[in-house]
Amino acid sequence: DVKVTQSSRYLVKRTGEKVFLECVQDMDHENMFWYRQDPGLGLRLIYFSYDVKMKEKGDIPEGYSVSREKKERFSLILESASTNQTSMYLCASSWGSGGVNYGYTFGSGTRLTVV
Amino acid sequence: KNQVEQSPQSLIILEGKNCTLQCNYTVSPFSNLRWYKQDTGRGPVSLTIMTFSENTKSNGRYTATLDADTKQSSLHITASQLSDSASYICVVSETGGYNKLIFGAGTRLAVHP
Repeated sequence: DVKVTQSSRYLVKRTGEKVFLECVQDMDHENMFWYRQDPGLGLRLIYFSYDVKMKEKGDIPEGYSVSREKKERFSLILESASTNQTSMYLCASSWGSGGVNYGYTFGSGTRLTVV
Repeated sequence: KNQVEQSPQSLIILEGKNCTLQCNYTVSPFSNLRWYKQDTGRGPVSLTIMTFSENTKSNGRYTATLDADTKQSSLHITASQLSDSASYICVVSETGGYNKLIFGAGTRLAVHP
């Protein structure tokens, strides 16, 4: 089975801190995604990547950046955390090229609280 | 605007009973529709995926239906168990571009003994 591992289940950070959320997948998937999930809202796409060193903005990229130096690892960076970034963050990966996504698999999520 | 709407928002049923969750979408052009189960504090796990030409797909006690003409889908859970307590999320993928996934807000199901 594909495994998507997020490094932390729970994180508490202070306002203004730089925060790194790490995601690693073990099935050689080309595509990786970062979402945030808030109560009453569907998952919203922050950033995605279809290849190493490639990144594309999703629907809500403001306040975030990403890094994909290796195929298996996709990092989400909060340059200066704010309280409105308190949320559940979900990483996902899939396979397929040319914008096609198969086998979408999610990690277990990181619940981030910014105080 | 492409949207996915789910109903009800939440549901409580007794163990052993059946239930049906609804999903209406306005996504076009349509590629496929997925149902995910998300346990509290966990990431979503795929239950079924259906393309335009499929009307029904089962996964154990879960049966999903799709009516592409009316843009409606349902997820039927048979003989519910306590472990079915979770959020169920309907996700529609549009064709073209990067096959963007559009998520419903989910239905929170509680199964009581």
